[in-house]
Amino acid sequence: AQKITQTQPGMFVQEKEAVTLDCTYDTSDPSYGLFWYKQPSSGEMIFLIYQGSYDQQNATEGRYSLNFQKARKSANLVISASQLGDSAMYFCAMREGFIGGNQFYFGTGTSLTVIP
Amino acid sequence: GAVVSQHPSWVICKSGTSVKIECRSLDFQATTMFWYRQFPKQSLMLMATSNEGSKATYEQGVEKDKFLINHASLTLSTLTVTSAHPEDSSFYICSADAPGLYISPLHFGNGTRLTVT
Repeated sequence: AQKITQTQPGMFVQEKEAVTLDCTYDTSDPSYGLFWYKQPSSGEMIFLIYQGSYDQQNATEGRYSLNFQKARKSANLVISASQLGDSAMYFCAMREGFIGGNQFYFGTGTSLTVIP
Repeated sequence: GAVVSQHPSWVICKSGTSVKIECRSLDFQATTMFWYRQFPKQSLMLMATSNEGSKATYEQGVEKDKFLINHASLTLSTLTVTSAHPEDSSFYICSADAPGLYISPLHFGNGTRLTVT
């Protein structure tokens, strides 16, 4: 089974609107971290936000929030007040195991286009 | 903090030559570095995991003799594409992992766009 599933290959959103990018994950490890990265056309991977499996509250970082539903194994990224600069590929990722050093599993990505 | 420098950003080389890509963690010690390859509009594909002072662990299907990885210090890992061919043209990106827990994010270099002519 896929560790990380992103079912939206492409999404469009009107500028200033909110958008949700879906991510589901599969793990039996009680300790895991979930991460979202943004990759603009220039190629660099920009870390946006993370959620730990033991975190009780949803993570937020500025206009980014992570809708963490543990029982459903989903970790959707919500971008509020979309800006033209948000147009990029977005990858959901997971790391398993309590101690770091394990590999990250990446989803296939969602291409977000913000329409003026 | 947590800056990873990857060099060069892009390189064009002739078929049959070798190319070395460097990945440096500038302000932290990276116990583990990961090398990825990415094709256009696709996800990152893990090529190998390198730990300082030991041999890299390659993913299935990745030729270890073609993609030589060296992790000589806690701040530097290199990927050498040996005898490059046009099919090796791709975007290569490294990431460095600082010692920490499962909630520690990976820190990425800016990637290297390799074109083999």
